[in-house]
Parts: sequence; C-alpha cells; structure tokens
Amino acid sequence: EPEVTQTPSHQVTQMGQEVILRCVPISNHLYFYWYRQILGQKVEFLVSFYNNEISEKSEIFDDQFSVERPDGSNFTLKIRSTKLEDSAMYFCASSEGGGAYEQYFGPGTRLTVT
Amino acid sequence: QKEVEQNSGPLSVPEGAIASLNCTYSDRGSQSFFWYRQYSGKSPELIMSIYSNGDKEDGRFTAQLNKASQYVSLLIRDSQPSDSATYLCAVEGGSEKLVFGKGTKLTVNP
Repeated sequence: EPEVTQTPSHQVTQMGQEVILRCVPISNHLYFYWYRQILGQKVEFLVSFYNNEISEKSEIFDDQFSVERPDGSNFTLKIRSTKLEDSAMYFCASSEGGGAYEQYFGPGTRLTVT
Repeated sequence: QKEVEQNSGPLSVPEGAIASLNCTYSDRGSQSFFWYRQYSGKSPELIMSIYSNGDKEDGRFTAQLNKASQYVSLLIRDSQPSDSATYLCAVEGGSEKLVFGKGTKLTVNP
C-alpha cells in the first residue's frame, strides 16, 4: 500500500542553524501538507501546497519557514534559523484532492533544537 | 479561530467492551470530519472519514455525525488491547487544512 515517507526520522541541530526536512508524498496525490506536534500538544497545521505553490499557511509559518517541491517526488520543509521552540515532531501529509479529501500522514521527523 | 474539543480522558475500558469517543467542533460550516489513531511517538493514522449526518461503519469502528449539534463520535466495538492509543478528531478547517482536537487517550485493559 502506498505511503508517505519522511527523512530523517530524527534531526538534532543547534539554534540558528538551517534544517531541511524531506518528504515523499503518495505518488498520485496532488496536495501536500506540513503539520507539527510539540510534545504533549495538538497536531497543528503549518502549510498546504498545490500546483507548485502554497495554497494556505498558518500564523506559525512565518518567514523562517519555506516549502519546495524540487522534483517530481520530493517535498521539503526548510527552517532557516532554528529556535528552541521549533523542537517538535514534523509530519508531512498528502491527499488526492483538497478540502474533503482524506489526508495521509508520514511517520514524522523529530526535530530537536539545542 | 476554529476549535475542536475532545475529552482528554484517559478513557479506560475492559477488553471486549465498547469504547465511545466524542468530539465537538465550533465551525457550523465544517463539512468533513476525520478520526485518526496515534500511538505514542508515532504519526496520526487515518481510521475513517465522515461527511453526512448519521452513522458510518467500518469493521469494528462506527463514526457518528450530528451537524446540528456539531458533534462527532467514534465507537469501537469489541475493544482490543491493541486499540490502546490516543484518538484524534480532525475537522476540515476551510480550504485544505485540518484542525485537530487534543485527542482522547484510550486504554483497553486485558
């Protein structure tokens, strides 16, 4: 069964460093998302991406964040200058369509900022 | 701000019992509703979606939706220890994003 994959599973970085989290969405899906979950808290929406552009972003997704689909399979989240409060699980998800379509999540990347 | 509320639990049921998980949402215009299961340290796993008022059954799981009351529930019949997890209610929050509740932690005791 097709699934979303993410790399790395765990990333440790120092405050102020740039990190890139990678995702391979399900191949026939058109919409891609990033969510994050701080330990013990809700899953929070960061950004959605469709047709090679951001379709929606949350207040969390500020100028420090960017997303890219560099090729036909990968979808990346870049955090330019990490802060301690960026430490969280980052989940990539994908869906066939927007809105009502079911979103399938990858296994996540645990980001630890020291 | 669209909100999704769930009883945080924990909810504890004996093996073989029915577990009932509840969720309310604030946006009356929401049309799509989802239940996810999240094991500790893992990602959300989609259990089922529901879009129309009434019940939707999938194996041991039944989702119930009442848009007038802005209420979604998930019933798990014949609960198994492997069902022990946190159950997340998610509501379409306009356009593509999902708005999640905090989740209800379920423990099924053998």
